[in-house]
Amino acid sequence: ETGVTQSPTHLIKTRGQQVTLRCSSQSGHNTVSWYQQALGQGPQFIFQYYREEENGRGNFPPRFSGLQFPNYSSELNVNALELDDSALYLCASSQFSGQGANQPQHFGDGTRLSIL
Amino acid sequence: AQSVAQPEDQVNVAEGNPLTVKCTYSVSGNPYLFWYVQYPNRGLQFLLKYITGDNLVKGSYGFEAEFNKSQTSFHLKKPSALVSDSALYFCAVRDGNNFNKFYFGSGTKLNVKP
Repeated sequence: ETGVTQSPTHLIKTRGQQVTLRCSSQSGHNTVSWYQQALGQGPQFIFQYYREEENGRGNFPPRFSGLQFPNYSSELNVNALELDDSALYLCASSQFSGQGANQPQHFGDGTRLSIL
Repeated sequence: AQSVAQPEDQVNVAEGNPLTVKCTYSVSGNPYLFWYVQYPNRGLQFLLKYITGDNLVKGSYGFEAEFNKSQTSFHLKKPSALVSDSALYFCAVRDGNNFNKFYFGSGTKLNVKP
């Protein structure tokens, strides 16, 4: 079984730029969530995608956007980067089975984004 | 509002001794609770979950957690700690109103000394 993979592992950008982070879900999983983990903090939920549509969003501005593709892979796009966007971005996949979100999420190792 | 609190930034325990990592939660509806572990420069790994049923939940690597509804707690426990258990532990709760949202605590660093 292939786990969740994220690319790139590290990225350096400057303020005002745009960035795209990528995630391949674990095989058999149809739902993907994105989290931001600042240094020394727990993951903060950004949004979740199911069937190529956003179906849940945390307290993040619209410059954070995403996509989910038919093969369930996903992208996180961030526009107009700010210094506070520096963080580890985690992707997590799970299988929605009609029983609600009681299935555990499987996480990738994340993309470390640094904003200069 | 949904939230998770991990009151201890760090827990120190000697190898072979029992360990407890504390978690309290606030959620509307039935709580769906999870524990994850994070090793340096890695993503989170699932340890165990509580959905319904027995209050004592057993998970991976010998960990277990006790759900206490009256105290709104879900503490992680292990009878005998290993040095390799040293890592960052996160408690998480599913949003009772929006099943697609999860809230994580701030994490507890577990240090197991030989």
